[in-house]
Amino acid sequence: GAGVSQSPSNKVTEKGKDVELRCDPISGHTALYWYRQSLGQGLEFLIYFQGNSAPDKSGLPSDRFSAERTGGSVSTLTIQRTQQEDSAVYLCASSSSKVGDGYTFGSGTRLTVV
Amino acid sequence: SQKIEQNSEALNIQEGKTATLTCNYTNYSPAYLQWYRQDPGRGPVFLLLIRENEKEKRKERLKVTFDTTLKQSLFHITASQPADSATYLCALDPYSSASKIIFGSGTRLSIRP
Repeated sequence: GAGVSQSPSNKVTEKGKDVELRCDPISGHTALYWYRQSLGQGLEFLIYFQGNSAPDKSGLPSDRFSAERTGGSVSTLTIQRTQQEDSAVYLCASSSSKVGDGYTFGSGTRLTVV
Repeated sequence: SQKIEQNSEALNIQEGKTATLTCNYTNYSPAYLQWYRQDPGRGPVFLLLIRENEKEKRKERLKVTFDTTLKQSLFHITASQPADSATYLCALDPYSSASKIIFGSGTRLSIRP
């Protein structure tokens, strides 16, 4: 596609429920990243996929968080047993291997846990 | 631990003036430094990348400097316009644009007419 697409754009869920957030990166981009942004805060790295390599999961805050990337394209971030502190905007980005291109971000999924 | 600092207070500039934003970092040796713009309710948009061996980079009304000795980058917008109002994020990249980068918390810039 023309850009990075994320769905849903907004998600309200009850505490304790599981949620799945989807990211559709730019076609041909080999790298895909998940970040989250709390209100008025910077971007917190969560996980990074590069081609067929094992993902860098060093930013995942707990074992309730997991992500997969199928066929080197679409990625799903799953949060199990959601907590109120999980409320944030979850941003996905993709990039090519060409230095100088930077990341292309989606508009994010705003998750609210009530 | 690694730390990236950007002015937490909003910067208010008169239209037409040059806006200068600062990014300082510690305990980090980035190979590249990137700047992004973020508007409310949107994801960040990539603006510029500067390499560690480059002192300055320009793109239209934007200029970025990178001083690896001072561990600082300055981001300038010349002839500022109200449409430049946004939050600007600096991001440090250890290797290339194909590895994870670390973001600062951003500086909110407001250009008044």
